[in-house]
Order: sequence, then structure tokens, then C-alpha cells
Amino acid sequence: GQSLEQPSEVTAVEGAIVQINCTYQTSGFYGLSWYQQHDGGAPTFLSYNALDGLEETGRFSSFLSRSDSYGYLLLQELQMKDSASYFCAVTTGGFKTIFGAGTRLFVKA
Amino acid sequence: NAGVTQTPKFQVLKTGQSMTLQCAQDMNHNSMYWYRQDPGMGLRLIYYSASEGTTDKGEVPNGYNVSRLNKREFSLRLESAAPSQTSVYFCASSQRGGQRTDTQYFGPGTRLTVL
Repeated sequence: GQSLEQPSEVTAVEGAIVQINCTYQTSGFYGLSWYQQHDGGAPTFLSYNALDGLEETGRFSSFLSRSDSYGYLLLQELQMKDSASYFCAVTTGGFKTIFGAGTRLFVKA
Repeated sequence: NAGVTQTPKFQVLKTGQSMTLQCAQDMNHNSMYWYRQDPGMGLRLIYYSASEGTTDKGEVPNGYNVSRLNKREFSLRLESAAPSQTSVYFCASSQRGGQRTDTQYFGPGTRLTVL
């Protein structure tokens, strides 16, 4: 079957750096995406990796290793507003995207 | 530019009732999707429409039907609602689904409870 594994919860302090890991097992791989979702809100796109390496967008960076079927989202200079759920998602080809169950990030003052 | 809009925001149904969830996008996107999200789980694809006039099943299509009314609108119908369909439903759209760098934009969701 197809699966994505990510931690269910992570807690960090304001101003710190946190890394959310994602390992995947899918039939087909186009790329790995990350989405943020605040409670009661809609998922919003953060980043996408199709090739190995690091992509940086402001305070957020995302990494992919296709040979290890592994990626991570790195959040720097954490702010209270970063408290949310973060989903990794693999586009497997065609129009289908498989989402992980999400990591709930708690940022403490 | 409203992006992706969904109606209604909330709905309560009794088992066996039918209803249609509406979705519209104003970004001139070709592809549209319906997902459901259950507590503690990621999104699961119900149906998608690659382009106007086409629809295909996703991961969990049973109990649902869809209509791509035109390029802007993509509706999801529950013919006979069941408690297992209690969930939050998200509609999404993308410029050109199926491409490696395609990004999906999500609507605000419809919270459906089936009693």
C-alpha cells in the first residue's frame, strides 16, 4: 500500500528551529509538498521538492532525498502564529496526491 | 479574487438524506478536486476533474458523485448520506493538474455531520 509517516506532534519554543520529518512509500513519485493548516482553516501550500536537496522560502525550508524516500520541513525563528498542523504530501503521478496524517506543531512562549 | 469558494460552510443531515456541496474557483484553473478530512487524518481524494468535461475517481469515491458543471464549478453529491460520511470536505483547484510542479489551492471547507 501507499503510506506517508510523519510525527503526530512536535512542541518547540518561540524563536527556536524545528524539523518535521516525513518518510514515504508510494507507487510513483513526482514530488513532495508541504501544507500548513490552522485549526478550522484550509490547507495552504508551503513548498514543493521534485529533486534532491534543499529549497528555501523565507523562514521555511524543505529537503528531499529520493533515494531514502525521506523529506523534512524546517521552520526557523518560530513564531506563535506557526502553531498549526503541517502535512507532507506526495504527488504520485497523474492527478493523485497522497497526504500524510499531519504533524501538530505547538509553539510555546 | 475570491480564490476557491465552497457552500455551505456547515450542514447537518439525517441518514439517507441527499445533498450537494458546491465549489467554484475564479482563478481559471483547469483541474479541480474533492477531498475529505477526518479527525487525525490527512486529506483523502474522493474525485477529481482533470479538465472541464472530465471526472475520475480518487482514493475514496464510494457513496459520492460529482459534476464538473463548467470550468469554474465542481460539485459533490451525496445521494444517501451515511454517518461514515461525517467529515470536513475540501474542494481544491490547480492550474494544470498532473504536472510535476502543480500547486493546489483549497477552499475553506464544508463541515458535514450525518446523524
